[in-house]
Amino acid sequence: EIVLTQSPGTLSLSPGERATLSCRASQSVSSSYLAWYQQKPGQAPRLLIYGASSRATGIPDRFSGSGSGTDFTLTISRLEPEDFAVYYCQQYGSTFGPGTKVDIK
Amino acid sequence: QVQLVQSGAEVKKPGASVKVSCKASGYTFTSYGISWVRQAPGQGLEWMGWISAYNGNTNYAQKLQGRVTMTTDTSTSTAYMELRSLRSDDTAVYYCARVQTTVTTGPLFDYWGQGTLVTVSS
Repeated sequence: EIVLTQSPGTLSLSPGERATLSCRASQSVSSSYLAWYQQKPGQAPRLLIYGASSRATGIPDRFSGSGSGTDFTLTISRLEPEDFAVYYCQQYGSTFGPGTKVDIK
Repeated sequence: QVQLVQSGAEVKKPGASVKVSCKASGYTFTSYGISWVRQAPGQGLEWMGWISAYNGNTNYAQKLQGRVTMTTDTSTSTAYMELRSLRSDDTAVYYCARVQTTVTTGPLFDYWGQGTLVTVSS
């Protein structure tokens, strides 16, 4: 079973700053099968990125994904107030990582 | 528009069973799968399993094998998740999600239900 780890656990940043979130897999994952989700308090998760780097419908271009093999990255180029949330990576529609919380510094 | 509407909150005693429903609308139900994901209070997301609405094939998380059953009723475009032998650590919000699968992208959870809180307490 592939295990996903995410770092850091919490990222404290200010609006306008750049956020870099990491997702590492215990074994190689096809880039096609790596997705990122955003979850705000009291809401269901929302699909952000699929295929490691493709934005889902309606996702602003300040969100970008990259990576391959065992190391993947979600980057938010300039944080907007609505981006403060928890972000999860997921492989092949099953295992989720533990999440990274992006909170306001 | 695509919508997944889940049944209401449940309170169950340890050892009991719960069945959560997820009614889909706005798309062809049998063209997609449904996955179930749960989230314990203050915790992360846990994938529980998947069912094909086309043919009923299922794939359950190993941890829940033997306790969970996922079904669909194509006549009403509704998916169901039943969890048996409930324990206190099954207390969580349970989500259904539509699963879109393509040759190039694998399974994507592109629409989600609003969540159903299941509380297990004596």
